[in-house]
Amino acid sequence: AQSVTQPDIHITVSEGASLELRCNYSYGATPYLFWYVQSPGQGLQLLLKYFSGDTLVQGIKGFEAEFKRSQSSFNLRKPSVHWSDAAEYFCAVGLYSGGGADGLTFGKGTHLIIQP
Amino acid sequence: ETGVTQSPTHLIKTRGQQVTLRCSSQSGHNTVSWYQQALGQGPQFIFQYYREEENGRGNFPPRFSGLQFPNYSSELNVNALELDDSALYLCASSLGLRAVNEQFFGPGTRLTVL
Repeated sequence: AQSVTQPDIHITVSEGASLELRCNYSYGATPYLFWYVQSPGQGLQLLLKYFSGDTLVQGIKGFEAEFKRSQSSFNLRKPSVHWSDAAEYFCAVGLYSGGGADGLTFGKGTHLIIQP
Repeated sequence: ETGVTQSPTHLIKTRGQQVTLRCSSQSGHNTVSWYQQALGQGPQFIFQYYREEENGRGNFPPRFSGLQFPNYSSELNVNALELDDSALYLCASSLGLRAVNEQFFGPGTRLTVL
């Protein structure tokens, strides 16, 4: 079964500084990869996704992520964070078994704190 | 175009009771997935419905069941509630079964079991 690891439970970044959130997955083939953001009281919002092709993908709100097959990683980056980026970030993998969808498998999340 | 909505927002039940949570899909979406998010954890896949039939299930017992209606709205039913069922329950709708299709999430229902 696939699994997702987000090694950092909390990350604190100063406003205006760069950000990188780590994500590693375990799966025999290349799964579909996603990053979601969850603000308090809100549902999950998709930031970006990777299926195939260019390993650097651009998302909303100035986020990007790079897929590295050799490292089984899909790290999320932003060059300059804003106070409004404070939220919980989830990496997820998805696959389609053919006989029935397996849904998304999420990591445990990284809580991003922005310092003024 | 309305997004995914869920009701109720909050719910308190006691152990052993039954609960029904509701979800209205985004317009035009024919697939609904349900997730359980315990405090401090990522969402866990419960099951998915496509055209009114269960199409896939995660590692959840049969007391978790669901329905999808012809208008693609959905219900999640949980029988014999246990304390560990306390969580945020998220509904997500998408167009089609494939994981490649973006899932749009509702704000969730917060269930507390006492």
